[in-house]
Amino acid sequence: DTGVSQDPRHKITKRGQNVTFRCDPISEHNRLYWYRQTLGQGPEFLTYFQNEAQLEKSRLLSDRFSAERPKGSFSTLEIQRTEQGDSAMYLCASTSDRGRLIGTEAFFGQGTRLTVV
Amino acid sequence: SQKIEQNSEALNIQEGKTATLTCNYTNYSPAYLQWYRQDPGRGPVFLLLIRENEKEKRKERLKVTFDTTLKQSLFHITASQPADSATYLCALGAQGNNRLAFGKGNQVVVIP
Repeated sequence: DTGVSQDPRHKITKRGQNVTFRCDPISEHNRLYWYRQTLGQGPEFLTYFQNEAQLEKSRLLSDRFSAERPKGSFSTLEIQRTEQGDSAMYLCASTSDRGRLIGTEAFFGQGTRLTVV
Repeated sequence: SQKIEQNSEALNIQEGKTATLTCNYTNYSPAYLQWYRQDPGRGPVFLLLIRENEKEKRKERLKVTFDTTLKQSLFHITASQPADSATYLCALGAQGNNRLAFGKGNQVVVIP
């Protein structure tokens, strides 16, 4: 499978615990995005990377959230001291801007469903 | 503030008919607009992209229009099939980055 891979698919955690999610983008894609989606809503942008550089962060990304893409390949999203409001689907997507086209399609992973109890 | 509106009511449609979905936006000047399909518990899957200087795009049974004056996109599924039942998301993007701003999605149910 050469698509975007996310791990784990599901995570249940107790309030106050830290969690970390992993995303493996399509290998030749240089841009990687994290989105969050709650029930009945569309995905909301959290942050994106071009190669290893984190170029933009949403105001949704509180200081409890941190994302890394250390070698410009896979990425991790960590949530510290989880709260019940963090329960959501966390989606990763990747794109390539090497063709310099406006708005190339985003390839999404299957998401990590986080439940904070 | 920016708003992207899709109909919150599910669209129930008979198999074989054309489903038409609407995406309206305000306080936004997108360089392009995309439509995605999302099945329950899965990530969105890209369907079509249309740029601001384009009026219409087609792909198989799908058609999308983009009217930057009305600030609206229409998404059509012709000859709908039960397998087309899903939630359809519109997403807007700005010049210079690929960050997407999504609507809430519109559920389509195709009745056999």
